[in-house]
Amino acid sequence: DAEITQSPRHKITETGRQVTLACHQTWNHNNMFWYRQDLGHGLRLIHYSYGVHDTNKGEVSDGYSVSRSNTEDLPLTLESAASSQTSVYFCASSESISLKLTDTQYFGPGTRLTVL
Amino acid sequence: LAKTTQPISMDSYEGQEVNITCSHNNIATNDYITWYQQFPSQGPRFIIQGYKTKVTNEVASLFIPADRKSSTLSLPRVSLSDTAVYYCLVVTNAGNNRKLIWGLGTSLAVNP
Repeated sequence: DAEITQSPRHKITETGRQVTLACHQTWNHNNMFWYRQDLGHGLRLIHYSYGVHDTNKGEVSDGYSVSRSNTEDLPLTLESAASSQTSVYFCASSESISLKLTDTQYFGPGTRLTVL
Repeated sequence: LAKTTQPISMDSYEGQEVNITCSHNNIATNDYITWYQQFPSQGPRFIIQGYKTKVTNEVASLFIPADRKSSTLSLPRVSLSDTAVYYCLVVTNAGNNRKLIWGLGTSLAVNP
């Protein structure tokens, strides 16, 4: 069955280290998204991509980067981890072929990141 | 830009109908309204989407009045397994102003 996976599921790192969170989907979806979820803030969009070699900033993109070299993967990199980036990170994908954001998003199981 | 506001929490009992309202006063002509459900330690899951009037699927109904400044998710005859957080999402899909405006979520507790 098609799915969307995230790895690792849990990660503890230290301030200043570079961290990469993986997201892999097997639906062949064009759109992929990264969110962070924090108490009191709900889901906040970090970056998104409409397709290969396309990336766009979301509302909380500072300190994060993504690259899309193929359809299946959108890794999220924290260049220099900060304690404020301790959060649960969700990856999602949607089918869209016309740069629409209205299509159903399918979410991964999440990665809990702790920055000490 | 649309901002979505929804109640922080709601309580209900098994078998009752639950209505969760989301306010989005500044919704634009091309914006769509979507609702997601999230269980603990899982990612959100799509429930329903609408643009105007009423939409119904096998799990919920979505009511959107003519002015579209609010929307109501209706869950018929809830069960304990409907205990979850419900998110309202307004999607702006026009031109260069594509945005995803998530509400903060409504935590629904269904009691026996």
